[in-house]
Amino acid sequence: EVQLVESGGGLVQPGGSLRLSCAASGFNFSSYWMVWVRQAPEKGLEWVANIKQDGSEKYYVDSVKGRFTISRDNAKNSLYLQMNGLRAEDTAVYYCVRAMGVWGQGTTVTVSS
Amino acid sequence: QSVLSQPPSASGTPGQRVTISCSGSSSNIGSNIVNWYQQLPGTAPKLLIYSSNQRPSGVPDRFSGSKSGTSASLAISGLQSEDEADYYCATWDDSLNGWVFGGGTKLTVL
Repeated sequence: EVQLVESGGGLVQPGGSLRLSCAASGFNFSSYWMVWVRQAPEKGLEWVANIKQDGSEKYYVDSVKGRFTISRDNAKNSLYLQMNGLRAEDTAVYYCVRAMGVWGQGTTVTVSS
Repeated sequence: QSVLSQPPSASGTPGQRVTISCSGSSSNIGSNIVNWYQQLPGTAPKLLIYSSNQRPSGVPDRFSGSKSGTSASLAISGLQSEDEADYYCATWDDSLNGWVFGGGTKLTVL
């Protein structure tokens, strides 16, 4: 069974950092683009970043460029999102997504003082 | 303001057919495939339609997708109470170099 399990969310002060992780299982992780998508409270879906199978290409939404870094470890079947300089508007549920198909259950990030 | 435009709400009675539209531009829908997602209350989104008109295994054939030019649509026939959810369209945007979503359509089954 294909599974994506996010972790690492929590409450952080503005300007702080968090590292999200996504553990993948049930498929050949290294064969897929991987994506982070977020959803602010009571809002719609927003693509955050994606990364090619070998990590050679990465794309980010403008609002997180220079603050967030997507990475992956194919040996560990894991996807990461390093989030620095967090702002209140980054508060959201963050989903790990396999090639815009299979979604994890999400991890909640709250940025507040 | 979302790059793709969807109606904020739609409704229908059980058994009816409902369509949800998604409007974009030449840099997104006009040149790329469209995915549709269903998000039931309190849950993660689920892929409903991929490549504009393909259904993943397990998705009932009551759900269908189409694309024409810079617009796409999702049709739900034989509406059921369990179809009450938020629906989102998404596609790649060549100008933004990223995925873009519609604002979502809340479907109510009356």
